[in-house]
Amino acid sequence: GPKVLQIPSHQIIDMGQMVTLNCDPVSNHLYFYWYKQILGQQMEFLVNFYNGKVMEKSKLFKDQFSVERPDGSYFTLKIQPTALEDSAVYFCASSLGLGGRKAEQFFGPGTRLTVL
Amino acid sequence: GEKVEQHESTLSVREGDSAVINCTYTDTASSYFPWYKQEAGKSLHFVIDIRSNVDRKQSQRLTVLLDKKAKRFSLHITATQPEDSAIYFCAASDMGYKLTFGTGTSLLVDP
Repeated sequence: GPKVLQIPSHQIIDMGQMVTLNCDPVSNHLYFYWYKQILGQQMEFLVNFYNGKVMEKSKLFKDQFSVERPDGSYFTLKIQPTALEDSAVYFCASSLGLGGRKAEQFFGPGTRLTVL
Repeated sequence: GEKVEQHESTLSVREGDSAVINCTYTDTASSYFPWYKQEAGKSLHFVIDIRSNVDRKQSQRLTVLLDKKAKRFSLHITATQPEDSAIYFCAASDMGYKLTFGTGTSLLVDP
């Protein structure tokens, strides 16, 4: 079936550095999402993105976070600067639309971010 | 905002038995309730969903029940098989995006 890819699978960086997480969504999908899961806790919504714009973001989506999808390539989550509390697994997802079967979100395998 | 509680953190059943995973939600505006399965080392994989215009949906061995009055929904797996072993996540949404997830239920099917 359709697959969402995420690169890298694991990233270790020092606090204060910048990190970019990359997501390759399903090719014909139009809606893109990032979720964050701290070890042992629920997966939580960060942001969704459509037509080049952020549609909605949660309170977890701090000012240090940004998303973009330049020229239809990777959908990226950038954190600059990183903080210790950013350590988590970040899941990317995409969907074709919002209604009916189109709303089904396809998830990537996650990027484990460790901030030292 | 929406909060989803998943009541069973672990569930162990014998092969061939049924398994039930229960979730509750808080936001009456939620109308879309998908379930995802995550096998070890793999992505979340969609298994089934239900919308608030129905109270039951079945797909092969999976049935989802929705009780809007109680704000409760559940996943029923019949004739369980070892390959059903995984972590199952329930979720709720008001429009199909911005999913609010439960904490996950680790289902173990003993052969």
